[in-house]
Amino acid sequence: GEDVEQSLFLSVREGDSSVINCTYTDSSSTYLYWYKQEPGAGLQLLTYIFSNMDMKQDQRLTVLLNKKDKHLSLRIADTQTGDSAIYFCAEMRGNMLTFGGGTRLMVKP
Amino acid sequence: GAGVSQSPSNKVTEKGKDVELRCDPISGHTALYWYRQSLGQGLEFLIYFQGNSAPDKSGLPSDRFSAERTGGSVSTLTIQRTQQEDSAVYLCASSQSTSVTDTQYFGPGTRLTVL
Repeated sequence: GEDVEQSLFLSVREGDSSVINCTYTDSSSTYLYWYKQEPGAGLQLLTYIFSNMDMKQDQRLTVLLNKKDKHLSLRIADTQTGDSAIYFCAEMRGNMLTFGGGTRLMVKP
Repeated sequence: GAGVSQSPSNKVTEKGKDVELRCDPISGHTALYWYRQSLGQGLEFLIYFQGNSAPDKSGLPSDRFSAERTGGSVSTLTIQRTQQEDSAVYLCASSQSTSVTDTQYFGPGTRLTVL
C-alpha cells in the first residue's frame, strides 16, 4: 500500500467547509504539500507547510499539521463549485515527493 | 514566465511501439522530475535529473523505460515496446534545485494510451 494515505472521496455543499485528511509515515519529512488537479489539467501547487509548523493559513485554505500523529489536513472555507477537483497530499523525502492517492472533492450547489 | 510544458498532450499508440515524451522545464530550473499517474495507482516517482545527470534510476518501472536530459533543459522519457500497463498520465516537474526547500512545479502531463 501507499505510505501516504488519503480518503478517496468527499462530498460537501457549496458554502460549507471542506476538510481533507492525510496521514504519512516518514517522520523525517521536511515539507508537506497539497496539490490540486482539475479534470484534464496537471497538478497545481496549492500550499505547503514546513514540518516545524503546526498551522498555515492562506486565504480560504488552512493547513494543520500534527507531527506526533503524522496527520495533515487541508481545510477549505466557503467551498465553491470551482473547488471540485482531486486533492493530493505529498511529503518530501530527500528530494523526492511521495504522493497520496488523492481525494476527490465534489461540491454540490 | 512560462511554466513547465509537456508534449504531446495526448498520445495513443499500439502495443509494441516506442514512444517519446518531452518535457520543457521552467527556464533556469536545474532539477527535473518525471512521475506517472496510473488509474488506481496514484502518483509514482520515476526519475529525477540534477542538470543532465540522473543519480537514481531505480524508480523506472522496467528497462524499457529510459530518460535523458540535454543542455540542462529539455528532457525526454522514452518507452520502448509499450505495453498496455504503460497507459497513464506522465507528469514532469521542475524546481530551482534538488534542495528540499525548492518547490516542484508540474506540467500538464502527457496522457499515454496503449491499445
